[in-house]
Amino acid sequence: DADVTQTPRNRITKTGKRIMLECSQTKGHDRMYWYRQDPGLGLRLIYYSFDVKDINKGEISDGYSVSRQAQAKFSLSLESAIPNQTALYFCATSQPGIYEQYFGPGTRLTVT
Amino acid sequence: RKEVEQDPGPFNVPEGATVAFNCTYSNSASQSFFWYRQDCRKEPKLLMSVYSSGNEDGRFTAQLNRASQYISLLIRDSKLSDSATYLCVVNEATSGTYKYIFGTGTRLKVLA
Repeated sequence: DADVTQTPRNRITKTGKRIMLECSQTKGHDRMYWYRQDPGLGLRLIYYSFDVKDINKGEISDGYSVSRQAQAKFSLSLESAIPNQTALYFCATSQPGIYEQYFGPGTRLTVT
Repeated sequence: RKEVEQDPGPFNVPEGATVAFNCTYSNSASQSFFWYRQDCRKEPKLLMSVYSSGNEDGRFTAQLNRASQYISLLIRDSKLSDSATYLCVVNEATSGTYKYIFGTGTRLKVLA
């Protein structure tokens, strides 16, 4: 079984809808991250959490919110989706002091 | 100037060839450096860290040039399975903060 899972894997939604992307991990890592990837722009950090009580904005947090429900779960919400939020979204985890990040398989989101 | 820059490619090389990619970074205070590999529509995975003295892992060699602010990845004896996008990652974080900067990636195609 995958160590970092994301649901849904694909989602098509309409402008203005609220949508939640979920991430779960069995690696026991404290740190979790949400990124989006767009062609030609690379991976950009949306939010990150160093532990259950810690939430930090990343480079492009506007229009997004997150919830760290437990060490193993970190969800990303789009309160009112807009077409330029169409992208590939990745969740990742890591341990303090260890730089390697482990990514989930991604969620392909399309906002029409 | 972008914080991390890579030639997007694609680099088309025959099997068995040697190929090298460079990645330049703008922040001279950057702490650590990595190469990730990303297959099409899949999640990025750590290929190797880049150490100041240079490091090798099988057919892969990574080097850091702090004076000129670039890192490189050399792949010897290319295999078809090496076809992927290679992401350069620079960690600008100081203690207690997080700032991973991903390059947009260099695409490699190894041809039979």
